[in-house]
Amino acid sequence: EVQLVQSGAEVKKPGESLKISCKGSGYSFTSYWIGWVRQMPGKGLEWMGIIYPGDSDTRYSPSFQGQVTISADKSISTAYLQWSSLKASDTAMYYCARVPSGWETIDYWGQGTLVTVSS
Amino acid sequence: SSELTQDPAVSVALGQTVRITCQGDTLRSYYASWYQQKPGQAPILVIYGKNNRPSGIPDRFSGSSSGNTASLTITGAQAEDEADYYCNSRDSSGNHYVFGTGTKVTVL
Repeated sequence: EVQLVQSGAEVKKPGESLKISCKGSGYSFTSYWIGWVRQMPGKGLEWMGIIYPGDSDTRYSPSFQGQVTISADKSISTAYLQWSSLKASDTAMYYCARVPSGWETIDYWGQGTLVTVSS
Repeated sequence: SSELTQDPAVSVALGQTVRITCQGDTLRSYYASWYQQKPGQAPILVIYGKNNRPSGIPDRFSGSSSGNTASLTITGAQAEDEADYYCNSRDSSGNHYVFGTGTKVTVL
């Protein structure tokens, strides 16, 4: 069974750093892309970027380039999304999602990680 | 701003048919996928490619495409189909994904 299990909810202060994770299981982690999606409170889905754990090829949506860092550790089948300095506007639910190598679709989603940034 | 546009909300009587549309120039080159999101839950894939349903998705969900418009049709809507629906596809560069603005479906 394919599973993407994300790390737990986080409460942070503005200016702090954060790294959240997404562990894949039930499939070959290095043969699929992992994408990250933001959903701000009461809003729609926003594509942030994607990484291919097999060779670490990473592509950022223009809206998120320079704002976050996406990485992966294929030895433990885990992808990461990190911030060096959080802002209140980063408060959102973040989902990781699996994308087949041909980018046909997003076929599996993690359960989401809620990030709250507040002073 | 999103390159894929959806109607914000539609309603359908129980058992009737509803069509949700997604418009964008990139849909002339790429198929759309459709996702269902219920409150407090992660999205799930319901339709992808020309008209493919993942295992476990009821056959009342179907997809189609014409020109710059992709459509998701629910034939015989059920109460459990009440949710937000998002389309997605590649953007104009082909190197990124983009989501539609989302449609809230209410089953009356």
